[in-house]
Amino acid sequence: AQTVTQSQPEMSVQEAETVTLSCTYDTSESDYYLFWYKQPPSRQMILVIRQEAYKQQNATENRFSVNFQKAAKSFSLKISDSQLGDAAMYFCAYRSGGATNKLIFGTGTLLAVQP
Amino acid sequence: NAGVTQTPKFRILKIGQSMTLQCTQDMNHNYMYWYRQDPGMGLKLIYYSVGAGITDKGEVPNGYNVSRSTTEDFPLRLELAAPSQTSVYFCASSYSPEVGTQYFGPGTRLLVL
Repeated sequence: AQTVTQSQPEMSVQEAETVTLSCTYDTSESDYYLFWYKQPPSRQMILVIRQEAYKQQNATENRFSVNFQKAAKSFSLKISDSQLGDAAMYFCAYRSGGATNKLIFGTGTLLAVQP
Repeated sequence: NAGVTQTPKFRILKIGQSMTLQCTQDMNHNYMYWYRQDPGMGLKLIYYSVGAGITDKGEVPNGYNVSRSTTEDFPLRLELAAPSQTSVYFCASSYSPEVGTQYFGPGTRLLVL
């Protein structure tokens, strides 16, 4: 079975600085997708970024980028120029390449942004 | 376009009571999902549906039932509520697995006492 591990329960960053959140996963599949979701205090889950396993190029969305190391099964999220609105719980998630689209989530990293 | 809506936002149940958590999406998505999130944990899949009339179990289905009579609605039924079902429940939908992006509702907080 696939598992997702986030080893950093909490992180803190100064406003305008850069922070990296770690995620590792375990799978025997070759076709899969990886996601980072943000959950602010409102509790709604918001997609931050998505990476297809077959793509070698790391995904980027504005200030958010990933470092996808397929062989190491690592999928870290880098947030540049951190803003107060980035403060939230961040979840890493895995999805098999099959038809059901079921997501497996890590336990989350709570990010605090200091002014 | 409201996206995914859930009702109620918060509910307190007594042990043994039953209730239905409502979920509606207006994006014409075929795929819909129910997750639960326990304190300090990630989301775990309860049930999912790949289209009207088709449902299947996820990781933690015990104590729950679902139905999918229309594309828009995917209610989650709790029978004989137990304290272990105290959690935050999220409904999500997606257009297709190829796209991979799930859109989440705002969640329902359930407390069973």
